[in-house]
Amino acid sequence: ETGVTQSPTHLIKTRGQQVTLRCSSQSGHNTVSWYQQALGQGPQFIFQYYREEENGRGNFPPRFSGLQFPNYSSELNVNALELDDSALYLCASGPWGRRFGYTFGSGTRLTVV
Amino acid sequence: AQTVTQSQPEMSVQEAETVTLSCTYDTSESDYYLFWYKQPPSRQMILVIRQEAYKQQNATENRFSVNFQKAAKSFSLKISDSQLGDAAMYFCAYRNTFNTGTASKLTFGTGTRLQVTL
Repeated sequence: ETGVTQSPTHLIKTRGQQVTLRCSSQSGHNTVSWYQQALGQGPQFIFQYYREEENGRGNFPPRFSGLQFPNYSSELNVNALELDDSALYLCASGPWGRRFGYTFGSGTRLTVV
Repeated sequence: AQTVTQSQPEMSVQEAETVTLSCTYDTSESDYYLFWYKQPPSRQMILVIRQEAYKQQNATENRFSVNFQKAAKSFSLKISDSQLGDAAMYFCAYRNTFNTGTASKLTFGTGTRLQVTL
């Protein structure tokens, strides 16, 4: 496996701004999920995309949105940033139906000031 | 909704010794998957071991093994012959099965920080 790559690794934004985080998965990974990990906490599920359509969402407001592209890349967009959005954002991908877990990227550390 | 509880915020073990990390979960499903992930300072979640709920046999991966008690909804991780490189945050996670039209998401516990001392 070539892994899952996220960019950028770190990002600082101002409250009220918009941000786009990117994830590049390997070929065949038609399922991608995004997680938010606040400091000292476990990751929280934001949403999942399967074949370019959202098929599930956690308890996050609509200002969190995403896209999945045919080339197995994906984006997480967050509008109207709030201070509480400061966290590590993790992307996880894999083939649909795979039993044995997803492959995670190293995450993007977002700081909102 | 499923929940995962890790009641040990921190654990410490001496090098070469054995340590057990605890995890309990709550679900009404009969078929699901359980995982232990390791998160070192590099931040990437690394899969340590996995268990399918329908399998009674406990999973093992080299120095890592689990004690899966389905009726008690308990899923502990045992690390034998601990090494300095085992020091990290460990997360227990539950995943529902794949069903068309719904997400197969991971639900994580709050983690246990493992320290390995000489």
